[in-house]
Amino acid sequence: TQLLEQSPQFLSIQEGENLTVYCNSSSVFSSLQWYRQEPGEGPVLLVTVVTGGEVKKLKRLTFQFGDARKDSSLHITAAQPGDTGLYLCAGAGAGGTSYGKLTFGQGTILTVHP
Amino acid sequence: KAGVTQTPRYLIKTRGQQVTLSCSPISGHRSVSWYQQTPGQGLQFLFEYFSETQRNKGNFPGRFSGRQFSNSRSEMNVSTLELGDSALYLCASSKTGNTEAFFGQGTRLTVV
Repeated sequence: TQLLEQSPQFLSIQEGENLTVYCNSSSVFSSLQWYRQEPGEGPVLLVTVVTGGEVKKLKRLTFQFGDARKDSSLHITAAQPGDTGLYLCAGAGAGGTSYGKLTFGQGTILTVHP
Repeated sequence: KAGVTQTPRYLIKTRGQQVTLSCSPISGHRSVSWYQQTPGQGLQFLFEYFSETQRNKGNFPGRFSGRQFSNSRSEMNVSTLELGDSALYLCASSKTGNTEAFFGQGTRLTVV
């Protein structure tokens, strides 16, 4: 069974603070994706990382894929209330034939207070 | 370009009934996956279809089934509904050979 352990589960911070969300696994993934989900909506893809050690930036968000492709992190600089939501990491391609199957972490509920 | 469309958005069913949910993928996407999302278990993979064939299946009972049509639209069916089937059911479509999933808004199923 491939598991993705995501931490922390809850994060409540003030506007302007920085934060990091972690996603760890014992499995190697061919790619790892980060999604953001708002209440009553489906997850929206933020980024895909494919290469071990890869770093991608999306405005104030920085995503990193571990060298061994087993872990990833999401760092948000100067968080804003609009960043509030559920952040999900999802791994693809672990264990060979996993067509269309993403293994999701439990998610991090981020609340940014004005 | 239209996104993934799921219908209906909300459903209330009684225990023992069956339900069919529908998903229209992004135009050109031939892979459709289904997920169940609950507060306790998070997002769990149900199954994936490509060119009308189920290629992968998650760890759910046989009451959960699906199919895909020649136009890539997909349906999932849950028979003999149980209270524990109450969840947000999400459909995602992907380009051939691409792991990036684009999700619909989901169908909120409540079993009473």
